[in-house]
Amino acid sequence: GAGVSQSPSNKVTEKGKDVELRCDPISGHTALYWYRQSLGQGLEFLIYFQGNSAPDKSGLPSDRFSAERTGGSVSTLTIQRTQQEDSAVYLCASRRAGDMVNEQFFGPGTRLTVL
Amino acid sequence: RKEVEQDPGPFNVPEGATVAFNCTYSNSASQSFFWYRQDCRKEPKLLMSVYSSGNEDGRFTAQLNRASQYISLLIRDSKLSDSATYLCVALRGNTGFQKLVFGTGTRLLVSP
Repeated sequence: GAGVSQSPSNKVTEKGKDVELRCDPISGHTALYWYRQSLGQGLEFLIYFQGNSAPDKSGLPSDRFSAERTGGSVSTLTIQRTQQEDSAVYLCASRRAGDMVNEQFFGPGTRLTVL
Repeated sequence: RKEVEQDPGPFNVPEGATVAFNCTYSNSASQSFFWYRQDCRKEPKLLMSVYSSGNEDGRFTAQLNRASQYISLLIRDSKLSDSATYLCVALRGNTGFQKLVFGTGTRLLVSP
């Protein structure tokens, strides 16, 4: 079946511009996560949506970052007034409720470059 | 101090070698542990879960020592295709609101 998809796959923007990154989770997966991975670094947790509960935003690095999940499915991560340090690969993952293994399925990521 | 710590490597081994990676975690409330594999410029994928009793999947063996807060991954008879970054991962949180905490990964290079 279809996996997690993300768009765009690559995004180059100028410092100060806003960007929107999209994630389509696996159908039926109630949990959705956003991570950021900088070159040579581990995955940095950003935000987590679980069903209709209020999201866990504890990983968002600044108020320039926000995310929405509409209808319990598609999610959009928005970065306002981008800075060069925002350059990274942004990964989305989804997980099925009640999965005993707690496996997260990752999308291919969006590579963001801020010039 | 990072919540999940790994030696970044790289570990350079010849084909057929046995290699072991270690990982430590600082949050004793972490409930479950996993190894994910990430190929270059690709997304992470689950390799295996880690149980206190130890578990084996083909050439891969994972162990958890809760007393020492230590996790290991052993790869026997290394293949060229095992070259990747191996991410140690801890799960924390309560039912319904759980999240994974990733280590920075250990890079493995298997050479002919």
